[in-house]
Amino acid sequence: ETGVTQTPRHLVMGMTNKKSLKCEQHLGHNAMYWYKQSAKKPLELMFVYSLEERVENNSVPSRFSPECPNSSHLFLHLHTLQPEDSALYLCASGQGISSYNEQFFGPGTRLTVL
Amino acid sequence: GESVGLHLPTLSVQEGDNSIINCAYSNSASDYFIWYKQESGKGPQFIIDIRSNMDKRQGQRVTVLLNKTVKHLSLQIAATQPGDSAVYFCAENQSGFFDMRFGAGTRLTVKP
Repeated sequence: ETGVTQTPRHLVMGMTNKKSLKCEQHLGHNAMYWYKQSAKKPLELMFVYSLEERVENNSVPSRFSPECPNSSHLFLHLHTLQPEDSALYLCASGQGISSYNEQFFGPGTRLTVL
Repeated sequence: GESVGLHLPTLSVQEGDNSIINCAYSNSASDYFIWYKQESGKGPQFIIDIRSNMDKRQGQRVTVLLNKTVKHLSLQIAATQPGDSAVYFCAENQSGFFDMRFGAGTRLTVKP
């Protein structure tokens, strides 16, 4: 257990569905991240929140919408996804740029878009 | 663009042998490096890190070597065990920046 939990662990959705991924960290960190992991590709950073404010958005399509209501919770809202969005979505937390940026990962949500 | 990459996508070793996984990086401003291990169905797990003011760091059965001259990072696993079978990622970060860039990963398979 890394102190970062994600739900659901698996999600299958149609292209017209709306769903949300949830991440919670119990480590007292002040930064949270969403990554996308596709087969045979490096981890791709999607969003970064520091102190509940979005500080980075790596040209992610608007069909992905993040939300960070507090420093312990992070959501990724999904709507009108495409089959190529099927991947493992990983959440991570860390202390942010105030220190060397070790990040702790959750187990991920395996998303399949039909 | 600058990237973090791994030399080999797969590595197969016998149980008990030592394993060496290599990584090249190209951002000379990176000053913090991490090795992660990812087992099937799990998220990446921190193994060991090293800062750019060091060239070697040892943990339990693992050693990370950093060669800043050639921008090369390696992970050495001593007496490799079946439980070490996983995908290993190197990652680099420049202090003051949030994003951590990851290599594609090397799959380590340990044969009994």
